[in-house]
Amino acid sequence: NAGVTQTPKFQVLKTGQSMTLQCAQDMNHEYMSWYRQDPGMGLRLIHYSVGAGITDQGEVPNGYNVSRSTTEDFPLRLLSAAPSQTSVYFCASSGTGAHTYEQYFGPGTRLTVT
Amino acid sequence: AQTVTQSQPEMSVQEAETVTLSCTYDTSESDYYLFWYKQPPSRQMILVIRQEAYKQQNATENRFSVNFQKAAKSFSLKISDSQLGDAAMYFCAYRSRWGGSEKLVFGKGTKLTVNP
Repeated sequence: NAGVTQTPKFQVLKTGQSMTLQCAQDMNHEYMSWYRQDPGMGLRLIHYSVGAGITDQGEVPNGYNVSRSTTEDFPLRLLSAAPSQTSVYFCASSGTGAHTYEQYFGPGTRLTVT
Repeated sequence: AQTVTQSQPEMSVQEAETVTLSCTYDTSESDYYLFWYKQPPSRQMILVIRQEAYKQQNATENRFSVNFQKAAKSFSLKISDSQLGDAAMYFCAYRSRWGGSEKLVFGKGTKLTVNP
């Protein structure tokens, strides 16, 4: 199993540009989440999904869109990038069953908006 | 809403010594999970240890153990026989037990330095 994969690993955008951060998992997990990590702030939840077709907002959703058309994929879209969105982004997944407590994290995407 | 507080932005320890990282949390729920995650310079988030709130016994994983004080809402991590590879950011995290595995609430982290 590859686990949780994220692409790209690094990205530089100009203010106003749009892009999609990709996230995929091959563990058949129902739950997927996006977090951002800023210096001194820990990880904060952006959006999450409890299954295909179901998404909801987390703590810091403004400026981001998500959709979940399949169990495996959970892309994060930045419609008009702003310097405040410079951060490291993590995707995570978790399932039901014996290990529902654990979230598995991807390797992260470092995004810089100039 | 739940909050998690790590009051030590940085800590250091000598190799082979023991260090304790602090975490407090605030919740009105009675059933939940608590976690410690390690983030080395590679950026990967690695689960170190978890504690179920309904269990009185403190969790242990090899050199890592926790001191869980439910009434005080305290959840500290003890690392024994510290190794150079333990140097990392450590994050304390909370999630509700029911329907909350998709949402973790993190503290701001503690940077641990291990001195040879």
